[in-house]
Amino acid sequence: KAGVTQTPRYLIKTRGQQVTLSCSPISGHRSVSWYQQTPGQGLQFLFEYFSETQRNKGNFPGRFSGRQFSNSRSEMNVSTLELGDSALYLCASSLGQTGPFSGANVLTFGAGSRLTVL
Amino acid sequence: GQNIDQPTEMTATEGAIVQINCTYQTSGFNGLFWYQQHAGEAPTFLSYNVLDGLEEKGRFSSFLSRSKGYSYLLLKELQMKDSASYLCAVRDRRGKLQFGAGTQVVVTP
Repeated sequence: KAGVTQTPRYLIKTRGQQVTLSCSPISGHRSVSWYQQTPGQGLQFLFEYFSETQRNKGNFPGRFSGRQFSNSRSEMNVSTLELGDSALYLCASSLGQTGPFSGANVLTFGAGSRLTVL
Repeated sequence: GQNIDQPTEMTATEGAIVQINCTYQTSGFNGLFWYQQHAGEAPTFLSYNVLDGLEEKGRFSSFLSRSKGYSYLLLKELQMKDSASYLCAVRDRRGKLQFGAGTQVVVTP
């Protein structure tokens, strides 16, 4: 069973540019979550998509957006890049259940996309 | 919102036991997770607690007290490969999973 695939793995952009990152979840997983990881802040939740709808959102500015396609693949976009956006962006997929005692509903993470903004 | 606290770093010797504490505040608790992350790699799932008590999985155990907003991860018979960051994460009623900043465990010979 293939894991979570993120592309590209590494990219370098300059301030003001925009970037699109892609995530292909594990087959059968309908939920995709995005996290930003930096040495100082740890893993910060960006948003979660389930069945093409944004179900949860973190506290990031509107420059950060995402979407999910009918095949559950997801993209996130960051516009008007700032130096502080340099980070590892991690995508994670899961079955997506949320009810009480719905089980572990474990997130499986991809290897990440490392973005450097110059 | 959620607030998750765990120590920044812990050091222990090979063969020893280390306990990583995690305290949390959340509006609507729906499970607590522990993940392990080696440097340069993605986090991997270790354990899940939703009811009070201890869950044991080989050398690793995780404990939860919902009334105290407290969990710990116990690593026994430490090995060098256990040197990693250990992340505590709490899921709320909407399914949102938020992570603590992580505890870097350093295992020395």
